[in-house]
Amino acid sequence: QLQLQESGPGLVKPSETLSLTCIVSGGSISSGGYYWGWVRRPPEKGLEWIGSVYYRGNAYYNPSLKSRVTISVDTSKNQFSLTLTSVTAADTAVYYCARKYANTWYFDIWGQGTLVTVSS
Amino acid sequence: QSALTQPASVSGSPGQSITISCTGTSSDVGGYNYVSWYQQHPSKAPKLMIYDVTNRPSGVSNRFSGSKSGNTASLTISGLQAEDEADYYCTSFTTSSTLVFGGGTKVTVL
Repeated sequence: QLQLQESGPGLVKPSETLSLTCIVSGGSISSGGYYWGWVRRPPEKGLEWIGSVYYRGNAYYNPSLKSRVTISVDTSKNQFSLTLTSVTAADTAVYYCARKYANTWYFDIWGQGTLVTVSS
Repeated sequence: QSALTQPASVSGSPGQSITISCTGTSSDVGGYNYVSWYQQHPSKAPKLMIYDVTNRPSGVSNRFSGSKSGNTASLTISGLQAEDEADYYCTSFTTSSTLVFGGGTKVTVL
């Protein structure tokens, strides 16, 4: 059964870059037919879609974050990554990685989430 | 893109039915049958409950049902149970080929 696991630093300083990785196990990220994405939930707020990427590199991003976000795939390591630049306290959130089928618009498998705090 | 509009909270007694609304525009909810609903318990990952407006994934109770009329989608929980107490989020595909979430609804079982 496919599983997703987020990893990365739990604390990032303001103005620096947030980098997270999602390790995919129980299946191949390059098998095709899926998009791999990131969603976050700031404290006391709702879920926010960050973006999604196909293993060949096609990506879609939330317009409000597009200028600061990159989602990439490393097929050799069976993982995908999130990079968010110039972070502020507003980027403090639990970050989830998730999978969706291509040509659909829902996430069927989620990671457990990882808390990232932006603070000096 | 603006978040979809959901009520902040909805409550009901065990056994009752409740409905959560999710209002968007013709550029998202009203324009496509790509509305999905997620349940999130505290400190847990979201769980898919409904996809493509009305479809239930395997393993999700048939007490959960989805519908849509115009720019408003709805999630109905029938026979409310204590375990249904959670936050619920709707999401929709948009004309910009992006996803937008609702603000979330806290369901309380009285």
